[in-house]
Amino acid sequence: NAGVTQTPKFRILKIGQSMTLQCTQDMNHNYMYWYRQDPGMGLKLIYYSVGAGITDKGEVPNGYNVSRSTTEDFPLRLELAAPSQTSVYFCASSYGRGGASQYFGPGTRLLVL
Amino acid sequence: GQQVMQIPQYQHVQEGEDFTTYCNSSTTLSNIQWYKQRPGGHPVFLIQLVKSGEVKKQKRLTFQFGEAKKNSSLHITATQTTDVGTYFCAGLDAGGTSYGKLTFGQGTILTVHP
Repeated sequence: NAGVTQTPKFRILKIGQSMTLQCTQDMNHNYMYWYRQDPGMGLKLIYYSVGAGITDKGEVPNGYNVSRSTTEDFPLRLELAAPSQTSVYFCASSYGRGGASQYFGPGTRLLVL
Repeated sequence: GQQVMQIPQYQHVQEGEDFTTYCNSSTTLSNIQWYKQRPGGHPVFLIQLVKSGEVKKQKRLTFQFGEAKKNSSLHITATQTTDVGTYFCAGLDAGGTSYGKLTFGQGTILTVHP
């Protein structure tokens, strides 16, 4: 099992550009999450999904969109990139609710200039 | 909304010294999890505590969950250079439908000098 994979590993965007961060898991987990981590800070939840076709906002959803058409994939879309979106983005998955442990991908480092 | 505070933010120790990080939630938790993130890496799950007053050990690491289920601690005995990293606590709110949404503390960055 590859676990949770994320692409790209690193990306530089210009202000106003858009991009999609890819996340795939092969553990058949229903729950998937997107976090951002700013330097020296904890993890802030952007969006989450409890299954294919179901998504909901987390703590910091502005400027982002998600979709979940399959169990495996949970892409994060950045529209009109801004410098404030410079961060490390982590995708995670878990097998169920009730606070099951989360498995994180390796992260995508995004720099918006 | 729920807040999880973690202290200290930084801790520098000499190899062999002990280390403790503390986690406090503004609300009662269903459970609390601890994660470790190595420099440049991603968070990795360490343990989950569920019961009031629970204590769990993993080799040199001891995890405690408070009686009121609002605080927790991680204690490392005799630190080693391999313990370097950021330790996060993450709590699941006991109220409402959290759908597994964890609230992470800001983490404690541990450096160990050989």
